[in-house]
Amino acid sequence: KQEVTQIPAALSVPEGENLVLNCSFTDSAIYNLQWFRQDPGKGLTSLLLIQSSQREQTSGRLNASLDKSSGRSTLYIAASQPGDSATYLCAVPQERDAGNMLTFGGGTRLMVKP
Amino acid sequence: ETGVTQTPRHLVMGMTNKKSLKCEQHLGHNAMYWYKQSAKKPLELMFVYSLEERVENNSVPSRFSPECPNSSHLFLHLHTLQPEDSALYLCASSPLGLAGLYEQYFGPGTRLTVT
Repeated sequence: KQEVTQIPAALSVPEGENLVLNCSFTDSAIYNLQWFRQDPGKGLTSLLLIQSSQREQTSGRLNASLDKSSGRSTLYIAASQPGDSATYLCAVPQERDAGNMLTFGGGTRLMVKP
Repeated sequence: ETGVTQTPRHLVMGMTNKKSLKCEQHLGHNAMYWYKQSAKKPLELMFVYSLEERVENNSVPSRFSPECPNSSHLFLHLHTLQPEDSALYLCASSPLGLAGLYEQYFGPGTRLTVT
């Protein structure tokens, strides 16, 4: 059974810092890996999707990398801003499954202080 | 409206009540999902519908009953729930195709409290 772990569980940084969020998964047979953002009490917003054949994806100040063989992904946030404060979730589908069924990590709760 | 919408946004129900959660997607997708997000637990997949047929139910208790009448609508019928079922219930949709190519888009969720 796939297990997804995110470290750290919570992170507080001053505005302007560059930071790295970590995601690890136990079964490397994945199609892709998705990073999401969730604001308190709200739904999820997709940030980046990395296909299993890719090493990284970039969107603005966000860069996500994937090392499938070692079961790891990182989300790099450059020049953090208070508006980046949210919970960040990573998720992977199982290669053998139909329907893109996702297994989620527990999330990293990020607070960026002005 | 665009995207994935869910109603109601908040629901308080007693353990003997029957209620339904509704999800609607306006993205032309043909796969839809129900997830449960409890405090202190990761998001859990409950049900998957692909082309209106249930693909996965992930050992969910029978007090949760999904319904997908067409590719745009998804319901979760609730009856005789327990207080531990209190959670944020999220709906998502995605295109179908070669698995892994497409992102899932999430609705805002329904915050359910069972008293």
